[in-house]
Amino acid sequence: DTAVSQTPKYLVTQMGNDKSIKCEQNLGHDTMYWYKQDSKKFLKIMFSYNNKELIINETVPNRFSPKSPDKAHLNLHINSLELGDSAVYFCASSRDLLAGGELFFGEGSRLTVL
Amino acid sequence: SQQGEEDPQALSIQEGENATMNCSYKTSINNLQWYRQNSGRGLVHLILIRSNEREKHSGRLRVTLDTSKKSSSLLITASRAADTASYFCATDGGNTPLVFGKGTRLSVIA
Repeated sequence: DTAVSQTPKYLVTQMGNDKSIKCEQNLGHDTMYWYKQDSKKFLKIMFSYNNKELIINETVPNRFSPKSPDKAHLNLHINSLELGDSAVYFCASSRDLLAGGELFFGEGSRLTVL
Repeated sequence: SQQGEEDPQALSIQEGENATMNCSYKTSINNLQWYRQNSGRGLVHLILIRSNEREKHSGRLRVTLDTSKKSSSLLITASRAADTASYFCATDGGNTPLVFGKGTRLSVIA
C-alpha cells in the first residue's frame, strides 16, 4: 500500500489556468506538508497542516490555496498559473509536528506551465 | 529560509569506494536527518541523528554530527550503483517543518 499518494504525477497546462493536486496519506499521521522542488533540486516548504489546521504558510502567493478536508488529505489548488510555478510539488506527512520525526514523501507531481 | 548546505554539490565515485557528503547548517537544531532521492521519485528517509548524539550507524551508512561546528557528514561505505541518487540533509529546529539543503548528487559508476 502506498503511504503517501499524490495525483496527478504529471500536469502540463497553459499560463493563467487553474489546477489542483491531491494528496492522501494512510499512515494515520496528524501533520501534512506541501514542498516545492525547483529545477535546481532545492526543496522549499510551502504549507504545513496539523489536524486539518493550517500552521505554516511560508510566504507563498495567495494564488496557492491548500485545503484539508480531513487529516488524511491535503490538496493544493493553484489559480492563475504562471511560468515560475513550474516545479515538482511534493506532499509529505509526519506523525506530528512536535515529534521531530521523519517525513514520508509522495512521489511528486511535476507541473509544467507553458 | 534555507538551513542546510550540502557539500560537494556533485560526487562521482567507483563502485566499492566510500562516499562522504557533508552538511552545514546555521541555527540550533533538535535533530538532523538525511534523505535520499532517486531520479524522478520522492524523498526517502535514511537516518536521524539527535542533537545530543555524535555518531549513528545504519547498515552501510554512518552519520556524524558536530553541533559545535554546526555540521554533519554522511558516509556510505562500499558504494553500489544502486546508491546513485541525490542526498539531502534536513534540520529540525523543533515545532517547525524540516528545512532541506540543496543536496549532493552522487553517481556510483559500476
